[in-house]
Amino acid sequence: AQTVTQSQPEMSVQEAETVTLSCTYDTSESNYYLFWYKQPPSRQMILVIRQEAYKQQNATENRFSVNFQKAAKSFSLKISDSQLGDTAMYFCAFIPYYNNDMRFGAGTRLTVKP
Amino acid sequence: GAGVSQSPSNKVTEKGKDVELRCDPISGHTALYWYRQSLGQGLEFLIYFQGNSAPDKSGLPSDRFSAERTGGSVSTLTIQRTQQEDSAVYLCASSLALGENSPLHFGNGTRLTVT
Repeated sequence: AQTVTQSQPEMSVQEAETVTLSCTYDTSESNYYLFWYKQPPSRQMILVIRQEAYKQQNATENRFSVNFQKAAKSFSLKISDSQLGDTAMYFCAFIPYYNNDMRFGAGTRLTVKP
Repeated sequence: GAGVSQSPSNKVTEKGKDVELRCDPISGHTALYWYRQSLGQGLEFLIYFQGNSAPDKSGLPSDRFSAERTGGSVSTLTIQRTQQEDSAVYLCASSLALGENSPLHFGNGTRLTVT
């Protein structure tokens, strides 16, 4: 089975600054999708950004962007101009292209400080 | 439209009792997942269904845990003889059929407290 590793249990950043959350994964698959989810205190899971492994271009969504390094099996999330509302638990997730066996990392708790 | 619905939202039970958690996925979503999140911790994969079948049950923590899905829709996660370490938030998610790989849509979870 695939594994997803998030090595930073907690991080903090000052408001308006930039922070990068790291994620690595282990798989023998060549086609897959990667996701970053955000879980605020409300417990709802919100999709932040998604990357298809066959695309070389890094995905971006407004202040959120990823650095996808397929050979290194690395998928980091960069949050620019951090806002107080970005405070949440962030989960990296992996799903193979040919099935629905999605796996999550342990999460990184991000705190944005005023 | 309606999202993933989980019930109850909160459940307090005594150690040794059985509990049943319910998940109503988004209509038309054939894949359904159960995860467990202990307080402040990451998501622990429990089981997923493709239609009514569960290809991978390896995440279930013990034989006290079981899950079923009927009619390709509602799923129930049953915990027998609950223990205090079962206390956690149990999250359900659904997604579209195999091959489309749409993102997961999560419910708000059931917070289980075993006293």
